[in-house]
Amino acid sequence: DIVLTQSPDSLPVSLGERATINCKSSQSVLNPNSKNYLAWYQQKPGQSPKLLFYWASTRASEVPDRFSGSGSGTEFTLTISSLQAEDVAIYYCQQYYSAPLTFGPGTKVEIK
Amino acid sequence: EVKLSESGGGLVQPGGFVTLFCEASGFTFEYYAMSWVRQAPGKGLEWVSGIGGRGGDKTYAGFVQGRFSISRDNRKNTLYLQIQSLRVEDTAIYYCARDWAATTLTYFDLWGQGTLVTVSS
Repeated sequence: DIVLTQSPDSLPVSLGERATINCKSSQSVLNPNSKNYLAWYQQKPGQSPKLLFYWASTRASEVPDRFSGSGSGTEFTLTISSLQAEDVAIYYCQQYYSAPLTFGPGTKVEIK
Repeated sequence: EVKLSESGGGLVQPGGFVTLFCEASGFTFEYYAMSWVRQAPGKGLEWVSGIGGRGGDKTYAGFVQGRFSISRDNRKNTLYLQIQSLRVEDTAIYYCARDWAATTLTYFDLWGQGTLVTVSS
């Protein structure tokens, strides 16, 4: 199974400041078609997850452009350029390169 | 409105059986694979099972061990998950999620609100 690790576990950030979340995969999720089979989700308190990015860096519809996804192979990053109060949530990465589908353990973003 | 609505959860005794339902609306159900993802209280997300748009191509997580069965009825726009021999560790919110394509093992672009299954005596 592909294991995803995320860092940090918890991330206190001041409003308006940058938040950076890392996701590392135990093996490459880069397909020969040059696509990284990695997605990011946001789960706000008491809500179901919401898709933020797929193919590592393609923003899902209605996701604000202060969010960006990057990386390739085994190392990926989700960045919030200017944290807003509504961004308080747990963020998960997920690989869909191979079965079983797996998620990272999550990173909790909170206001400092 | 494009939506997924789960139901069927509740309190079940260890060793019991439950059937979860996910009703889809607002999109052509058969065009999409569907999956179940669960989340134990205070824990992260765990993929459980997926099924192709036509109902074939069923895949399961390793921990399922034959106790879970996924199915769908495209005439009723409904996804099912049957769980037998329930264990305390199966306690979780069970979400249904839409795969972005007709084949399984993808990312999920639409999620339901979840249904809570509590396994306890």
